[in-house]
Amino acid sequence: NAGVMQNPRHLVRRRGQEARLRCSPMKGHSHVYWYRQLPEEGLKFMVYLQKENIIDESGMPKERFSAEFPKEGPSILRIQQVVRGDSAAYFCASSPTGKGYEQYFGPGTRLTVT
Amino acid sequence: DQQVKQNSPSLSVQEGRISILNCDYTNSMFDYFLWYKKYPAEGPTFLISISSIKDKNEDGRFTVFLNKSAKHLSLHIVPSQPGDSAVYFCAASYQGGSEKLVFGKGTKLTVNP
Repeated sequence: NAGVMQNPRHLVRRRGQEARLRCSPMKGHSHVYWYRQLPEEGLKFMVYLQKENIIDESGMPKERFSAEFPKEGPSILRIQQVVRGDSAAYFCASSPTGKGYEQYFGPGTRLTVT
Repeated sequence: DQQVKQNSPSLSVQEGRISILNCDYTNSMFDYFLWYKKYPAEGPTFLISISSIKDKNEDGRFTVFLNKSAKHLSLHIVPSQPGDSAVYFCAASYQGGSEKLVFGKGTKLTVNP
């Protein structure tokens, strides 16, 4: 049973470009969480999705960030017009139940904005 | 406003001794606490958890203690091994809503041979 997959593992973007981060949950998991880790910080919640629905986006910046989890295919975290402050590690976690104690993390995507 | 705090950024212990990592929280609505271990360039790996209705949970070399009145939990690793060297994150969640995890900033544990 493959774990949570994230790609790309590393992504370099120039300021103003768009970044697309993908997350394939574990088989049978229909709940996806996105977290961001800034340097020297803990992980911070961004958004929680179930298939085709955004359940909680209270941690998402109001502008430039969006997320989706379509019926088919991976969950996508999209950052438009990236700025240097978006440089961080972005982690996806999937869950079979949506319970806080059952989240399994992917290896993360390290975004660098130059 | 940090709801989960790990006040020690780093900890160094000798192989074979006990490692004690501490975590404090402020939100009394939290009902589940978890410890994750993280190596560089990898995602967090679940280590051990404890429900708020318990005060201790043990799994092999790892034990987590919860003191609800003090809003404090600790992770004990006995005996410590060099492979335990990693960053350890304390996290909390509460029922209802999205059950998102709230993380501390982490403690870097170094176990010296």
